Amino acid sequence: AQSVTQLGSHVSVSEGALVLLRCNYSSSVPPYLFWYVQYPNQGLQLLLKYTSAATLVKGINGFEAEFKKSETSFHLTKPSAHMSDAAEYFCAVSEGGQAGTALIFGKGTTLSVSS
Amino acid sequence: SQTIHQWPATLVQPVGSPLSLECTVEGTSNPNLYWYRQAAGRGLQLLFYSVGIGQISSEVPQNLSASRPQDRQFILSSKKLLLSDSGFYLCAWSRGVNSDTQYFGPGTRLTVL
Repeated sequence: AQSVTQLGSHVSVSEGALVLLRCNYSSSVPPYLFWYVQYPNQGLQLLLKYTSAATLVKGINGFEAEFKKSETSFHLTKPSAHMSDAAEYFCAVSEGGQAGTALIFGKGTTLSVSS
Repeated sequence: SQTIHQWPATLVQPVGSPLSLECTVEGTSNPNLYWYRQAAGRGLQLLFYSVGIGQISSEVPQNLSASRPQDRQFILSSKKLLLSDSGFYLCAWSRGVNSDTQYFGPGTRLTVL
């Protein structure tokens, strides 16, 4: 069965510092992996998606994530945090290729950015 | 371009009252549709998904139900709300076969008192 573990429910960084949000997955087949961002009282917005084309995936707002099969990880990074990055971030996995396949989400990581 | 709407945006209901939340998608046909519930500290829980009109799959046993009366309309209902039904309800859509990116609506905040 698929699963996603996000290490750290809350991460705090200073403005300009590196952002690192951790995600480990479990899947019996090559997975599709996603990062979503959620601002307060809003829906989820797709940041980036891994579909096996390239292990380093670039997304919106300067975020990127690297797929590491040996570590079953898909950590999200951003070189320099901005105040507007404060939000909740969700990692998700899907086995893909099937109509109606749902995403399995992690429990989320809240990112705080201080000035 | 595709857009997804949910209403109402917020709702306060007494225990035991009925519920109807609506989700519609524009700009695409035959989407897969999903209802999630988000409770504090628990991430997103998939409640229902649908691959076509009248086709509903339930993921979690509960007092909620879903219906898809039209291709781009997905409705979440309950006959009698419980306190535990409080949460943030999100609707999402994805394209048909071989694509799993899900696009989310703005959500409905439900408070059951």
